[in-house]
Amino acid sequence: QVQLKESGPGLVQPSQTLSLTCTVSGFSLMDYSVHWVRQPPGKGLEWMGRMKYDGDTYYNSALKSRLSISRDTSKSQVFLKMNSLQTEDTAIYYCTRDSSWGPGTMVTVSS
Amino acid sequence: DIVMTQAPLSVSVTPGESASISCRSSKSLLHSNGITYVYWYLQKPGKSPQLLIYRMSNLASGVPDRFSGSGSETDFTLKISRVEAEDVGIYYCGQLLENPRTFGGGTKLELK
Repeated sequence: QVQLKESGPGLVQPSQTLSLTCTVSGFSLMDYSVHWVRQPPGKGLEWMGRMKYDGDTYYNSALKSRLSISRDTSKSQVFLKMNSLQTEDTAIYYCTRDSSWGPGTMVTVSS
Repeated sequence: DIVMTQAPLSVSVTPGESASISCRSSKSLLHSNGITYVYWYLQKPGKSPQLLIYRMSNLASGVPDRFSGSGSETDFTLKISRVEAEDVGIYYCGQLLENPRTFGGGTKLELK
């Protein structure tokens, strides 16, 4: 059974760095790509970037200067790091494998 | 980037009746392999999005056949027959043809 689950700090101070982990099960990161998508409260979906099955990454140009996605295939984990956080980065952050989505983790940027 | 435009913003449906949601892309989503890369998702209140339709017209696993997808290279329709209470939520179309992936703004389905 394919499963993804996000984990992270919940609260981040402005200008600090966000670190999130997506832990997957039921498939190999070397066979499938994993994407990060976020959703500000009451708003739509924004695709952030992806870790391809071959290790290649691609980022939304609007976030590229602040965003980094990496992985540890031995632990079945994909990582998201985004720096210089602002209040507008407050959102639910999801990892997804197209057909399956994690439950999401809420990140609030506030002092 | 490919722009996905959905209509209407919201739709109110009597249970048992049908509903249609439209989505238009700013560029053809038809790949040279013959597949049209438009997907439909439903986000129920407080939940993460769930896949309904993939590659324009294919029903995702476990999704009732009351849902169907159709369209052309740039214009797409999600139809829900015999709407039920469990169908309430926000519907999104998305394009998976190229990066960055993009989504429509969403259509909220409510019951009358």
